[in-house]
Amino acid sequence: QQQVKQSPQSLIVQKGGISIINCAYENTAFDYFPWYQQFPGKGPALLIAIRPDVSEKKEGRFTISFNKSAKQFSLHIMDSQPGDSATYFCAASGGYNFNKFYFGSGTKLNVKP
Amino acid sequence: SQTIHQWPATLVQPVGSPLSLECTVEGTSNPNLYWYRQAAGRGLQLLFYSVGIGQISSEVPQNLSASRPQDRQFILSSKKLLLSDSGFYLCAWSADRYEQYFGPGTRLTVT
Repeated sequence: QQQVKQSPQSLIVQKGGISIINCAYENTAFDYFPWYQQFPGKGPALLIAIRPDVSEKKEGRFTISFNKSAKQFSLHIMDSQPGDSATYFCAASGGYNFNKFYFGSGTKLNVKP
Repeated sequence: SQTIHQWPATLVQPVGSPLSLECTVEGTSNPNLYWYRQAAGRGLQLLFYSVGIGQISSEVPQNLSASRPQDRQFILSSKKLLLSDSGFYLCAWSADRYEQYFGPGTRLTVT
């Protein structure tokens, strides 16, 4: 059973546009939701994270929106740049096995100049 | 500041040969440690995680094993590699149960 479902699998956005990646989770005990950015051949880097006590968190051009009732969260990249082209992973953790992280399947973002 | 090291960076091994990948973390004590595998163009598969020396949780039954001989050292091993073991192996650490930081990875090709 996939605990975290991520969509779309790939995304093409024009430079300056808004990139939106969505994730849905199953376990209502999850209480930490990070996003990771991965460039080819590199390890994923923690980008931004949110806990369910807030509905939105913004860091620069990156914003997480969180909907607890719908069990969904999304990453918005404003003013997308070619340098943002990478694979993005959402994740979730919490509950009984709180040291374990459940990752989405990834979204490959291509920002066209 | 904390840093995480993995080696080797790349490895080409024949089927049936043994494997040992090493991960070390600097600048922190008693971290949670994780091994993930990433197939080409795919997501992250959690293989093992450890919350302390000698404590290993296995997520996927396979021919791999993990050990944590020291507080900040995590080793991934195999006695006999399979073709399906090829992939990008990532070690990660977290100081608590929240922020998780990944190492640079090891690219393993089994031939």
